[in-house]
Amino acid sequence: GESVGLHLPTLSVQEGDNSIINCAYSNSASDYFIWYKQESGKGPQFIIDIRSNMDKRQGQRVTVLLNKTVKHLSLQIAATQPGDSAVYFCAENMDTGRRALTFGSGTRLQVQP
Amino acid sequence: DTEVTQTPKHLVMGMTNKKSLKCEQHMGHRAMYWYKQKAKKPPELMFVYSYEKLSINESVPSRFSPECPNSSLLNLHLHALQPEDSALYLCASTGVSSTDTQYFGPGTRLTVL
Repeated sequence: GESVGLHLPTLSVQEGDNSIINCAYSNSASDYFIWYKQESGKGPQFIIDIRSNMDKRQGQRVTVLLNKTVKHLSLQIAATQPGDSAVYFCAENMDTGRRALTFGSGTRLQVQP
Repeated sequence: DTEVTQTPKHLVMGMTNKKSLKCEQHMGHRAMYWYKQKAKKPPELMFVYSYEKLSINESVPSRFSPECPNSSLLNLHLHALQPEDSALYLCASTGVSSTDTQYFGPGTRLTVL
């Protein structure tokens, strides 16, 4: 999602529910996408990645879906836990020659116990 | 080991001071990055080093001076900073392929008085 001013979009879920965080990316030529989790006061932590030749990739409790037609990326977290509370960023590699990531604006996930 | 370390964790400096941020990785990565992150915003790319050579400078002011002494170390020298330069400075590293995962350090929280 997009941020408005200084406010991050926030997704609030109950513990045990599934979470879906969405991201619209910029460049149809981007070949690689990553989801990062960032807890307060820490650096971004790698969660899962996906290449542009794939539509879906699963990890432990997480699934990333890529829809290249509408340039949309989503992160699904199964059985969300309080420890999942953080800001989640999607990132894309817009230029394969640069090896540099461009980040989306981020979504705050709040898990209610 | 997927660890990127950064020192110091916190730094407070005046506008006339000279200080340096340090980053280290021992994953054999040959690309290293500096990002700047303001509160509630995504990381923004500053510099990219590839094989110890500066490959990308995202129009960063000259008061920020990067240095890559060897393949494991990355420094960011700071001089005559402004209060608006206060931010979280993140270091990251990755392998040589454009689809290699980029790992981040915990960051240095910089405050310029």
